[in-house]
Amino acid sequence: QKEVEQNSGPLSVPEGAIASLNCTYSDRGSQSFFWYRQYSGKSPELIMFIYSNGDKEDGRFTAQLNKASQYVSLLIRDSQPSDSATYLCAGTSGGGADGLTFGKGTHLIIQP
Amino acid sequence: DAEITQSPRHKITETGRQVTLACHQTWNHNNMFWYRQDLGHGLRLIHYSYGVQDTNKGEVSDGYSVSRSNTEDLPLTLESAASSQTSVYFCASSDRQVNQPQHFGDGTRLSIL
Repeated sequence: QKEVEQNSGPLSVPEGAIASLNCTYSDRGSQSFFWYRQYSGKSPELIMFIYSNGDKEDGRFTAQLNKASQYVSLLIRDSQPSDSATYLCAGTSGGGADGLTFGKGTHLIIQP
Repeated sequence: DAEITQSPRHKITETGRQVTLACHQTWNHNNMFWYRQDLGHGLRLIHYSYGVQDTNKGEVSDGYSVSRSNTEDLPLTLESAASSQTSVYFCASSDRQVNQPQHFGDGTRLSIL
């Protein structure tokens, strides 16, 4: 059974600091991973996706993938109060066409 | 701009009734998906479709059905609604190319009394 695990939090980070969100997955066949941000009562919003080992940077966000350790992370630099949300990690083994397996999400709180 | 629209946004119904949730996308995406989101479970896949006339069961498909008669729409039907199906339902779509991200609709909050 495919599983994606996240610490539910809440993870509290001071404004301006680096927030580090982590995710592990059980399916070694998983190829690509997606980070979504979800505000309360809203739909998931794509932040980043990654499918190669290593780091991928986009603005204040960096996604990291280590397939050997089955570990995915998202770093948010210069955290802002608007970053306060639930962050969902999702993986897929079929290139995405057969749906995503989501973790339960990490609730991030950025303290002003 | 391309978008994915779900309707209704909120619905209250009674157990045993048939309910259909609509999903319409203008991305011209081949892949479409339905998820439900519940506290303590996260998002779980109900059904998905690779294209017209193609539908597949996901992790929690019991009690749900879908049909795909065109590229733009994937309605989700609850044949006989049960209280356990009270949830927030999200539709998503993605391009047919490998490793493409899914774009989500705004969701439908369904309450079954």
